[in-house]
Amino acid sequence: AQSVAQPEDQVNVAEGNPLTVKCTYSVSGNPYLFWYVQYPNRGLQFLLKYITGDNLVKGSYGFEAEFNKSQTSFHLKKPSALVSDSALYFCAVRDTAGGTSYGKLTFGQGTILTVHP
Amino acid sequence: SQTIHQWPATLVQPVGSPLSLECTVEGTSNPNLYWYRQAAGRGLQLLFYSVGIGQISSEVPQNLSASRPQDRQFILSSKKLLLSDSGFYLCAWSWTGITGELFFGEGSRLTVL
Repeated sequence: AQSVAQPEDQVNVAEGNPLTVKCTYSVSGNPYLFWYVQYPNRGLQFLLKYITGDNLVKGSYGFEAEFNKSQTSFHLKKPSALVSDSALYFCAVRDTAGGTSYGKLTFGQGTILTVHP
Repeated sequence: SQTIHQWPATLVQPVGSPLSLECTVEGTSNPNLYWYRQAAGRGLQLLFYSVGIGQISSEVPQNLSASRPQDRQFILSSKKLLLSDSGFYLCAWSWTGITGELFFGEGSRLTVL
């Protein structure tokens, strides 16, 4: 079974400082990993994904994430936070084992990011 | 380009009443389709997914059902709503296969009174 954990319910950073939102995962095979952002009363927006290749993945709005297989982590980062980055962030994983042909994602519980002016 | 539409955006229904939420995707064919529920503004639970017309898989037993009458149409239904059915329902689609991301609609907020 696949699972993902976001150990921090909330992350608070000052505008202009770097931010990190943590994510760890558990899969049987190789993971496909995703980050999404959700603003209040809106759907989820895709930020970035890791499928294979370079461990550092760059995505939308200046976000990036680093895949670390030994630590089974996929932390979301941004060098300089903006107030407008304040939102709910979800990490998601898909296990490549099992031979499924559809794209079921398992989501973490989400981390609320608050960027203070 | 592809777009996903989900309606209604908000819905207030009495306990025991029926439910129908609709989702359509434009600009692609044979997408995988999904219904998720988000409770208390946090975690997402996969309710149903579909890899083709008439093919519905349920992830959890519940008071809800799903149908896919057309390639790009996905409907979430209930014959009799329960208080516990309240939540934020999200429809999503993805390309066939397992490497692609999901693209979400704007959600439907259901309040059962």
